[in-house]
Amino acid sequence: AQSVTQLDSHVSVSEGTPVLLRCNYSSSYSPSLFWYVQHPNKGLQLLLKYTSAATLVKGINGFEAEFKKSETSFHLTKPSAHMSDAAEYFCVVSERYSSASKIIFGSGTRLSIRP
Amino acid sequence: EAQVTQNPRYLITVTGKKLTVTCSQNMNHEYMSWYRQDPGLGLRQIYYSMNVEVTDKGDVPEGYKVSRKEKRNFPLILESPSPNQTSLYFCASSSQGSNSPLHFGNGTRLTVT
Repeated sequence: AQSVTQLDSHVSVSEGTPVLLRCNYSSSYSPSLFWYVQHPNKGLQLLLKYTSAATLVKGINGFEAEFKKSETSFHLTKPSAHMSDAAEYFCVVSERYSSASKIIFGSGTRLSIRP
Repeated sequence: EAQVTQNPRYLITVTGKKLTVTCSQNMNHEYMSWYRQDPGLGLRQIYYSMNVEVTDKGDVPEGYKVSRKEKRNFPLILESPSPNQTSLYFCASSSQGSNSPLHFGNGTRLTVT
């Protein structure tokens, strides 16, 4: 069965320091994996996606994620946090076929940035 | 501009009064879906549609209905809303295929008293 676990509900870092948001997944097949960001009072925006090509995926705003099949992980990182990165982040697993769909969201990680 | 448009943004209603939240996309996407977002639970899928006239239940379909008569529209219907349906709702669309990202609307905050 599919599942997504975001290991931290809240992460707080200082501006200019690295960011690590952790995500573990389980899937019966080879899934597609996504990270989305949600700023206050906004919809969700795609940060990056993994679709079985390169295991290190680069996204927008300096974020990247590494797919590690052996660890079933897809952690999101950024070398240097900026105040504008403060938001909620969601890890998502997607399996879609011609007649069915299964998209599972993690419970989210709220990222706070200290000045 | 490519977008998913939801209306209304905010809605306050009373128990049992039927309501519809509209969703429209201008990207010619086959796939559309509805989610509700509740604190600590992330987003949970209510219903989805793989194409016109094809809809299927997600993880939390009870108390909701949808229809997909046209490709661009996917309204969410609450026939008899209850307070436990107070939530933030998102519509999303995408092309077919598991590697296609979702495009989200800006959300509808529903309060049922």
